[in-house]
Amino acid sequence: EPEVTQTPSHQVTQMGQEVILRCVPISNHLYFYWYRQILGQKVEFLVSFYNNEISEKSEIFDDQFSVERPDGSNFTLKIRSTKLEDSAMYFCASSDSETYEQYFGPGTRLTVT
Amino acid sequence: KNQVEQSPQSLIILEGKNCTLQCNYTVSPFSNLRWYKQDTGRGPVSLTIMTFSENTKSNGRYTATLDADTKQSSLHITASQLSDSASYICVVSRGSGNTGKLIFGQGTTLQVKP
Repeated sequence: EPEVTQTPSHQVTQMGQEVILRCVPISNHLYFYWYRQILGQKVEFLVSFYNNEISEKSEIFDDQFSVERPDGSNFTLKIRSTKLEDSAMYFCASSDSETYEQYFGPGTRLTVT
Repeated sequence: KNQVEQSPQSLIILEGKNCTLQCNYTVSPFSNLRWYKQDTGRGPVSLTIMTFSENTKSNGRYTATLDADTKQSSLHITASQLSDSASYICVVSRGSGNTGKLIFGQGTTLQVKP
C-alpha cells in the first residue's frame, strides 16, 4: 500500500542552524501539508501546498520557514535558523483531488539544542 | 475562536469492552470532521471522515457520529482490542475541500488492558 515517507526520523541540530526535513508524498497526490506536534501538545497545521505554491499557512509559519517541491517526488520543509522552541515532531501529509483523506508520514523528530 | 475539545483526556478499559469518546467543536466555516488514531511516535491514521450531511459512519469496530446542530461528535469503539491502545484525535476541517485547514483536538489517550 502506498505511504508517505519522511527522512530523517530524528534530527538533532544546534540553535541557529538550518535544517531541511524531507518528505516523499504518495505518488499520485497533488496536495501536500506540513504539521508539527510539540511534545504533549496538539498537532498544529503549518502549511498546505498545491500546484507549486502555498495554499494556506498558519501564524506559526513565519519567515524562518519555507517549503519546496524540488522535483517530482520530494516535498521539503526548511527552517532557516532553528530556535529551541522549534523542537517538535514534524509530520508531512498528502492527499489526492478526489477525497478529503490526508495520509500522514511517520514524522521527523527535530531536537534543537 | 476555532477550537476542538475532546473528552475524556484519558481512558482505561478492559479488553473486549466498548467505549465512547467525545468531541465538541467551534469551527467555522465547517467542512468536515475526522477521527484519527495516533500510535505513540507515529503519524495519525484516518478512521472516518464525515461531512455536514452525514450523521454516522462506521469503519469496522469504529463508529463515528456527528450532530452538526450541536457541533458534537463521538467515536464508539466496539469490542476493544489491545491494539486499540492509542491516542484518538478529533479533527475538524475549516474551509473547503483539500485546502481546508485542519484544526486538531488534544486527543483522548485510550489504554486497553488485558
